[in-house]
Amino acid sequence: EPEVTQTPSHQVTQMGQEVILRCVPISNHLYFYWYRQILGQKVEFLVSFYNNEISEKSEIFDDQFSVERPDGSNFTLKIRSTKLEDSAMYFCASRNRPGSDEQFFGPGTRLTVL
Amino acid sequence: QQPVQSPQAVILREGEDAVINCSSSKALYSVHWYRQKHGEAPVFLMILLKGGEQKGHEKISASFNEKKQQSSLYLTASQLSYSGTYFCGTEMAGGSYIPTFGRGTSLIVHP
Repeated sequence: EPEVTQTPSHQVTQMGQEVILRCVPISNHLYFYWYRQILGQKVEFLVSFYNNEISEKSEIFDDQFSVERPDGSNFTLKIRSTKLEDSAMYFCASRNRPGSDEQFFGPGTRLTVL
Repeated sequence: QQPVQSPQAVILREGEDAVINCSSSKALYSVHWYRQKHGEAPVFLMILLKGGEQKGHEKISASFNEKKQQSSLYLTASQLSYSGTYFCGTEMAGGSYIPTFGRGTSLIVHP
C-alpha cells in the first residue's frame, strides 16, 4: 500500500540553526501539506501546496518557514532560524483531491530545538 | 475555526461502547476522523461528505448531520487496540478544503 514517508524521524538542533525536513508524498497525489503537533496538543495546519506553489498557509507559517518541491518526489519544509518553541512533531500529508479524498499522514519528524 | 470535540476523555472496559462528538459553529463540507496512538502519526479512519451520511468500518462507524454541523464517531464492542486519541478534522463549506482539527478525545480501553 502506498504511504507518505518522512526523514529524518528525529532531528535535534541548536536554537538559531536551519533545519530541513523531508517528505515523499504518495506518488499520484497532487496536494501536499505540513502540520505540526506540539507534545500533548492538537494537530495544527501550517501550509498546503499545489501545482508548485503555496495554496494556503496559517499564521504559524511566518517568514522563518518555507516549502519547496525540488524534484518530482520530495516535498521539504525549511525552518531558517529555529526557536525553542519550534520543538514539535512535524507531519507531512498528501491527498489526491481536496474535499472528497482522504488525507494520508506520514510518520512524522520529531524536531527538538535546544 | 477549530471544531469542538466531546468528551475530552473516555475510559472503557473491553466490549463497551463509546460515542465521540465533533461540532462546528460553521457550515461544514466534510468531516474526517483519525486515530492517533502515542508517538505515532494520525491514521485516517473515514471521511463523511454528505448531510446525514453514515459510514462504517468493522465496529467503528460515524454519522454526519450537516444541518446541525455535527458528527459522531461510534465505537462498538471496544477492543484494546481502539485505545488512542481520536481527532475530527472539519472542512468548511465554500472553504479551502483544509481540515482543521479538534483537540482530540483520549480513549482508554482496559481489559
